[in-house]
Amino acid sequence: NAGVTQTPKFRILKIGQSMTLQCTQDMNHNYMYWYRQDPGMGLKLIYYSVGAGITDKGEVPNGYNVSRSTTEDFPLRLELAAPSQTSVYFCASTPEGYGYTFGSGTRLTVV
Amino acid sequence: GNSVTQMEGPVTLSEEAFLTINCTYTATGYPSLFWYVQYPGEGLQLLLKATKADDKGSNKGFEATYRKETTSFHLEKGSVQVSDSAVYFCALSAPNTGNQFYFGTGTSLTVIP
Repeated sequence: NAGVTQTPKFRILKIGQSMTLQCTQDMNHNYMYWYRQDPGMGLKLIYYSVGAGITDKGEVPNGYNVSRSTTEDFPLRLELAAPSQTSVYFCASTPEGYGYTFGSGTRLTVV
Repeated sequence: GNSVTQMEGPVTLSEEAFLTINCTYTATGYPSLFWYVQYPGEGLQLLLKATKADDKGSNKGFEATYRKETTSFHLEKGSVQVSDSAVYFCALSAPNTGNQFYFGTGTSLTVIP
């Protein structure tokens, strides 16, 4: 099993550009999450989903959008990239009551 | 609300030294508690967990006991190795929150030979 797959691994964006971070899991988990990790700040929840067609905001949703049309996929969209969105982004999934399985991360730099 | 506070780093130890990384939490209800480890350039991996008071999670020589009376979940290892060098995150999963996890800020551990 591949687990949680994130693409791309690295990306440099110019201010104002848009992009989609892809996340796919093959474990049939209902719950999926997007976090950002800034140095010394731990992980902050951006958006999460408890099942296909259901999404909700986390702690830091501004500047991001998500969709969950299938159980497997949970893409994260940045519409107008800003330097404050420079970070490492992690996608995670879980069946309820268990620990997260994390993807390997996407390192995004906005210049 | 829900939050996790963990010991600030960085922590530097010699090989075979004893490790303790402190973690305390605030939660509504009865959370599950976790330790995750992140090796350089990688995502977070589950190290151990405990789902109720007095449970002890253990894995790879690491242990942590869920202490409800002190709201703590300290990570310990009796003899660290160079390969244990990583960042360690304490986390909680609170009930009725869509299975959201709340993470501490992480503690960087470096083990020197």
